[in-house]
Amino acid sequence: GAVVSQHPSWVICKSGTSVKIECRSLDFQATTMFWYRQFPKQSLMLMATSNEGSKATYEQGVEKDKFLINHASLTLSTLTVTSAHPEDSSFYICSARTLGAGELFFGEGSRLTVL
Amino acid sequence: GDSVTQMEGPVTLSEEAFLTINCTYTATGYPSLFWYVQYPGEGLQLLLKATKADDKGSNKGFEATYRKETTSFHLEKGSVQVSDSAVYFCALRWGGANNLFFGTGTRLTVIP
Repeated sequence: GAVVSQHPSWVICKSGTSVKIECRSLDFQATTMFWYRQFPKQSLMLMATSNEGSKATYEQGVEKDKFLINHASLTLSTLTVTSAHPEDSSFYICSARTLGAGELFFGEGSRLTVL
Repeated sequence: GDSVTQMEGPVTLSEEAFLTINCTYTATGYPSLFWYVQYPGEGLQLLLKATKADDKGSNKGFEATYRKETTSFHLEKGSVQVSDSAVYFCALRWGGANNLFFGTGTRLTVIP
């Protein structure tokens, strides 16, 4: 199947700093990418949907100024957690699909720990 | 609202044991149902799916049947292997919608 890669796999940062997580589709063009968040022992929750070249659509309750999403090319989307706080510590997962395709391909996830 | 309830883990089995991971859903109508698997260090991968009632999805020896009467989609495998050790996620989706509703995931460890 298609490959989606996330970087970094894990990151530790100080409170108040910003962290960027990258999501790349390695062997296909991803017209749509999705960002999920998972708390311990809870479900993956969709945070936002991004289409290449347009603004992301955020799910209810997700702060768009806090979680900046950019999908500037067909193979790269980035999630920037701005002014991170300990409550932002979580596991972030991206997924991607091509135009019209049903299947989603997932990255391996990025674990963020904010001290 | 729509939700997926999945058997809590972790689950530890001996090789060649029978596996069942329960999954039930709450939704109005008939969504598509999925099982995803995440092996250590890798992204989630689609394991199998069923798009309508009574459909059976199968792959790699795993099976799950879409039961509308019990709103369930339990994952089964007759004889697990060490290589099946992973986290398994049940999920539902409506048609071509973007949003997948996931269960909490169940970690399976198979010991030799």
